Amino acid sequence: DAGVIQSPRHEVTEMGQEVTLRCKPISGHNSLFWYRQTMMRGLELLIYFNNNVPIDDSGMPEDRFSAKMPNASFSTLKIQPSEPRDSAVYFCASSHRQYGYTFGSGTRLTVV
Amino acid sequence: SQQGEEDPQALSIQEGENATMNCSYKTSINNLQWYRQNSGRGLVHLILIRSNEREKHSGRLRVTLDTSKKSSSLLITASRAADTASYFCATDSVGGANNLFFGTGTRLTVIP
Repeated sequence: DAGVIQSPRHEVTEMGQEVTLRCKPISGHNSLFWYRQTMMRGLELLIYFNNNVPIDDSGMPEDRFSAKMPNASFSTLKIQPSEPRDSAVYFCASSHRQYGYTFGSGTRLTVV
Repeated sequence: SQQGEEDPQALSIQEGENATMNCSYKTSINNLQWYRQNSGRGLVHLILIRSNEREKHSGRLRVTLDTSKKSSSLLITASRAADTASYFCATDSVGGANNLFFGTGTRLTVIP
């Protein structure tokens, strides 16, 4: 298995543009998580899915953020419109039950 | 917040020395996990210790858990330059959902 795959690795966009981050979890993992990491706030859980169903999105900062998981092998995190304060590294992770998360390499987002 | 807190925030040691990092958390847990993050990369799962365990070993890693004090420690013995990374503890919650809360991390530097 190639692990959790995120794309793109880097994204630079202008304020107001729509940004879509993508994630392919490990096959067979039934939970998927989106985290955001910044120097100021550390790792923040944004949303997670169990069996493709969103369970807890209380970490999503505001309505500009949305996430979907249309099937077991794909998830997206969308920011529309993006703002400079959204600049961070966004990680996707998947797990089977609670036996350790496997993280992707992250997407470094810069909004200018 | 249930988020764990690691200390120290930063630790610098000579190669060959042991490194000890501590983590404190706030609520009852099912398990506690430690992760490592190399600069610019995703987090890598190191070890999981369940709430009914007091100590666990994996190679040069030794983890202890004291649920009465709501604290854990990670010991890396005979450190190597390649151990240079940030180390995070992560906790779930009893009766809670299948998501982890990450601490703020300890930045370990091993000087060759």
